[in-house]
Amino acid sequence: AQTVTQSQPEMSVQEAETVTLSCTYDTSESNYYLFWYKQPPSRQMILVIRQEAYKQQNATENRFSVNFQKAAKSFSLKISDSQLGDTAMYFCAFMKQGAQKLVFGQGTRLTINP
Amino acid sequence: EADIYQTPRYLVIGTGKKITLECSQTMGHDKMYWYQQDPGMELHLIHYSYGVNSTEKGDLSSESTVSRIRTEHFPLTLESARPSHTSQYLCASSDSRGTGGSGANVLTFGAGSRLTVL
Repeated sequence: AQTVTQSQPEMSVQEAETVTLSCTYDTSESNYYLFWYKQPPSRQMILVIRQEAYKQQNATENRFSVNFQKAAKSFSLKISDSQLGDTAMYFCAFMKQGAQKLVFGQGTRLTINP
Repeated sequence: EADIYQTPRYLVIGTGKKITLECSQTMGHDKMYWYQQDPGMELHLIHYSYGVNSTEKGDLSSESTVSRIRTEHFPLTLESARPSHTSQYLCASSDSRGTGGSGANVLTFGAGSRLTVL
C-alpha cells in the first residue's frame, strides 16, 4: 500500500517570502501521479499542481513549483512571493496509474502573515 | 467554480437518526468518491464509484452506504447516526476517460458536508 508523509504539521511565513512544504511517499509502483491540493479555511479543496512520475521536468504553475526527486521519493512544493490568500491546509497526494484513487498525506497548515 | 455540489453544508443531528448527504456533479465525470476528514487531519477514502451501478468500499471502514443510480448523483447514507460519525465528508469526481493533459487524473472536490451527531 502507498503512504504519503508530510512532516510539517504547521508552517508560518511573512507575506512575499518563499516557503517550501515537504512531502515524502512510499510506493513500489513506477508509474504514478503526485499532487498538491490546497484547502482554504471553510472552502473547498482545489488542485495546486500535478506531476507525472515519468516526467523528469518539475511542474510549475505561476508562483508554485515542485521539486520532484523520484529516487528519494520526495515531492516538495515551493511557493514563491507568498500571498495572504495562500493561507490554507496543503495536502500532498499520490495516485497509482490506472487506480484513480488519491492517497493523501496528513496535511500542512500554512499561514501567511501580513 | 467547481461543478460539484454537496448538501447540506452543515448538519447537526441526534443519535439514531438516518441521514443522507447529497452529492451531484454536472461535469459528466464517470468516477465519484467520498472522503472522510476529521478537523485538521488527512482525508480517508470511504467509498468510490467507477460508474453507474458500481460502488466500492474505500480504504477506511465506514458504516455508511452509497448508491450510484445516475452518473451525476452519488449520495451517502447513514442509517443510524452516532457521535463517532461526527466528521466532514468530502465528495469528489474525476474523468478517467482523459488520455492526458492537465485534467487527467485530477479530482474535483465539493465544498464538504460537516456532520455533527449529538
